[in-house]
This record gives sequence, C-alpha cells and structure tokens, in this order.
Amino acid sequence: GNSVTQMEGPVTLSEEAFLTINCTYTATGYPSLFWYVQYPGEGLQLLLKATKADDKGSNKGFEATYRKETTSFHLEKGSVQVSDSAVYFCALSDQNYGQNFVFGPGTRLSVLP
Amino acid sequence: GAVVSQHPSRVICKSGTSVKIECRSLDFQATTMFWYRQFPKKSLMLMATSNEGSKATYEQGVEKDKFLINHASLTLSTLTVTSAHPEDSSFYICSADSAGQGKGGNTIYFGEGSWLTVV
Repeated sequence: GNSVTQMEGPVTLSEEAFLTINCTYTATGYPSLFWYVQYPGEGLQLLLKATKADDKGSNKGFEATYRKETTSFHLEKGSVQVSDSAVYFCALSDQNYGQNFVFGPGTRLSVLP
Repeated sequence: GAVVSQHPSRVICKSGTSVKIECRSLDFQATTMFWYRQFPKKSLMLMATSNEGSKATYEQGVEKDKFLINHASLTLSTLTVTSAHPEDSSFYICSADSAGQGKGGNTIYFGEGSWLTVV
C-alpha cells in the first residue's frame, strides 16, 4: 500500500539556519503531495502542496518540489525563525486508488533564538 | 504499531441515522485530540479540538449539534454524526497529542481514518 517516510526528529536549529526535512513516498498511482504543519496546541494547517511531477509548492518561505524520479517531496526553507517551531507532516493523497490521506510520522522542529 | 486506533475504518449508514466514530490512544493518555474531515479532492479540514473533561472547541462553520464530540476519558474521543445525510459522506481522521507522556520527539499521532458513506 501507499506509505510516507519522513526523517525522524527532533530537529533543532538556530535562527536563520537552512532547513531541510526529507520526505519520500511509495504510491501505486499518481498522488498529490502535501506538507502540513501543527503549531503547539493547534490543529493541522496545510503548508503547501503539489499535485503533479515537477510542481513546486511554496508558502511562508517554505518550498517543496514533487520529484517523481526519486519519489521525494523534501521541505526546505532558507532561513528559519523561532516562530517556525512546530511539527511538520508530509502526506500524500491518492484518491484514484480509494485511499485517502497517508501521513508521515511527523518531524518536530525547534528553532532557537 | 499503531498508537492511535480509529474505528470503524469504513461504515455505511442510512440517511437520517446517527453513526459514531471512535478514536483511541492505545499506549498513552491524550488530553487533546483533533478531528479532521476531508472534502472531495481537497485537503483535510480541522473540525474540532477535543479536550478531555470539557466541551470540544469547534472550528467556524462546523455544526456542533450535528457533529457531537465526546472526550470522556484520556484515551477515548468519539465523533457522532447525527441525522446523517449524503453530504456528510466523507473521510474523517483523528489525531491525538501525547505531549508530556514521555514518548519524546513527535507527540502527535494519527488514526487510520474512517470512511463514512451515507445512503
């Protein structure tokens, strides 16, 4: 079945450091890919998404490119802020195969001032 | 293995009836659980935040009398869709926060999700 693998955390960075959170997936079809973020005490928020190969999703300085050849959707940000501290979830949705969202385990990011 | 169990994974009910979906944290106590719904071809939408021992906090636009949430214990939250209609057919997923339970790292765990079909 479909699955999402995500780098384990926690990840601790200093403010203004470069961030990469790796995500790879396994899917039988052509899924859409998502990054969700959950700030402390809050529910999930969609951060960005990409629906087909080579698409780049971007939002709030975060970017991720849908790489079909490597089945990856790595999240990047050039300069993190303390306010970016949260848990980040990579997910896929492959509705054509009757399966909905599959989430990665999440990566906790802590940004220190 | 799964640390959050959601049941049932699929359910079909008749229009006008009620259906209950359970979300259980299996090896930790969750003071906070979240309920999400996915609309066709769209991302997940947070419906409500379920707090043990108190009333759930609903997001704007979510009918609290239709989607009843009960978090009666530290390991169980239930979502009851009352007087279900075909437009309630959707994918519902819960997550539980294990913060403070010594599990370390990521503290949010998702259930497997529940497909609801109202006929």
